[in-house]
Amino acid sequence: EADIYQTPRYLVIGTGKKITLECSQTMGHDKMYWYQQDPGMELHLIHYSYGVNSTEKGDLSSESTVSRIRTEHFPLTLESARPSHTSQYLCASSELAGGLTYEQYFGPGTRLTVT
Amino acid sequence: EDKVVQSPLSLVVHEGDTVTLNCSYEVTNFRSLLWYKQEKKAPTFLFMLTSSGIEKKSGRLSSILDKKELSSILNITATQTGDSAIYLCASGSGTYKYIFGTGTRLKVLA
Repeated sequence: EADIYQTPRYLVIGTGKKITLECSQTMGHDKMYWYQQDPGMELHLIHYSYGVNSTEKGDLSSESTVSRIRTEHFPLTLESARPSHTSQYLCASSELAGGLTYEQYFGPGTRLTVT
Repeated sequence: EDKVVQSPLSLVVHEGDTVTLNCSYEVTNFRSLLWYKQEKKAPTFLFMLTSSGIEKKSGRLSSILDKKELSSILNITATQTGDSAIYLCASGSGTYKYIFGTGTRLKVLA
């Protein structure tokens, strides 16, 4: 079983609030990812990181920001939450070795509702 | 534009039936094809298929990669109600990117 954790699991918050979604993994993986998934829809990559101090935006435009100060930690921040940010946010990690793409392990997700 | 397409979108079967889920991909710099099972929470990894490993099997589940047709199938034999879930297919492109399909929603009736 993969050791990747997300908190909070559920969050209901008002418009305009600043929020940080936490993601941690204990597998020593270099690569970490944030996906956004609406019900019945595919996962969309919003941010990824190759390692410490390396972050990039994904395919889906997002108003969130991320940081990677430690290998195991990849938090996602929304400076000012809006109802359009209501979604499920999934964190994932994978190994980076020899240029190969390895399977991703997913955290349990954070279901965010902005009222 | 890279894309992954899954079919059917949804499927309802009875326990004991065998199902085949389809996934086709068009990605640049293809590296791997992954299958996940997603129940109420996050996706859990099932298989990864690459050029060096085009067929995988685990219990009642098996998967094959057809590099010529740019597609993959996931077979589930003797289905059980616990197999009810969304099955996601993803293609690994390059060294970091994974493109996901919308999934096939499988419901197995007792």
